[in-house]
Amino acid sequence: GENVEQHPSTLSVQEGDSAVIKCTYSDSASNYFPWYKQELGKRPQLIIDIRSNVGEKKDQRIAVTLNKTAKHFSLHITETQPEDSAVYFCAASEVYKLSFGAGTTVTVRA
Amino acid sequence: DSGVTQTPKHLITATGQRVTLRCSPRSGDLSVYWYQQSLDQGLQFLIQYYNGEERAKGNILERFSAQQFPDLHSELNLSSLELGDSALYFCASSVDPDSYQPQHFGDGTRLSIL
Repeated sequence: GENVEQHPSTLSVQEGDSAVIKCTYSDSASNYFPWYKQELGKRPQLIIDIRSNVGEKKDQRIAVTLNKTAKHFSLHITETQPEDSAVYFCAASEVYKLSFGAGTTVTVRA
Repeated sequence: DSGVTQTPKHLITATGQRVTLRCSPRSGDLSVYWYQQSLDQGLQFLIQYYNGEERAKGNILERFSAQQFPDLHSELNLSSLELGDSALYFCASSVDPDSYQPQHFGDGTRLSIL
């Protein structure tokens, strides 16, 4: 089955700086790569997703890049704000199910 | 609000007992997914249903079972509960699993085993 590795496990950044989270996946058949943000005690919320026919996608301060050859994808958050503090999960879709990374706890220091 | 409704929000029970968690998908979504999230753990995929039929299985224990009813709501049954089953259980739904539509999560059911 699909195996998704996510790094780093924790990330502390100064407000206004950028944050980058990286994920690798094992199944070359995976075609869909969403990112979820989960605040403490709340549900995961989709923040951005990318399909395999696209190399990069941007939505305001958030961007995702995908390298299918190397089987890795990354989340970039620019101009971080305190409300960006949360746990971020990457995932890869193996047709019917999502396989999630272990999560990255992002803390934005004011 | 994601449109996915999960009940109950909290459940406290004892070891050896059986519980049922309920999920109503977003209007128009035919596919339902169940996930388990233990303390400080990631999201573990349990099982997926599409239009009433089981589509995919993940790391679901034999003590656990699920089904999706004709009105598309789904139930996750957990039996012979153990302390290690304490977790947050999420349901998610999507329109069609084959077209890689986003999964939208409910607020979860927090299960505590005493």
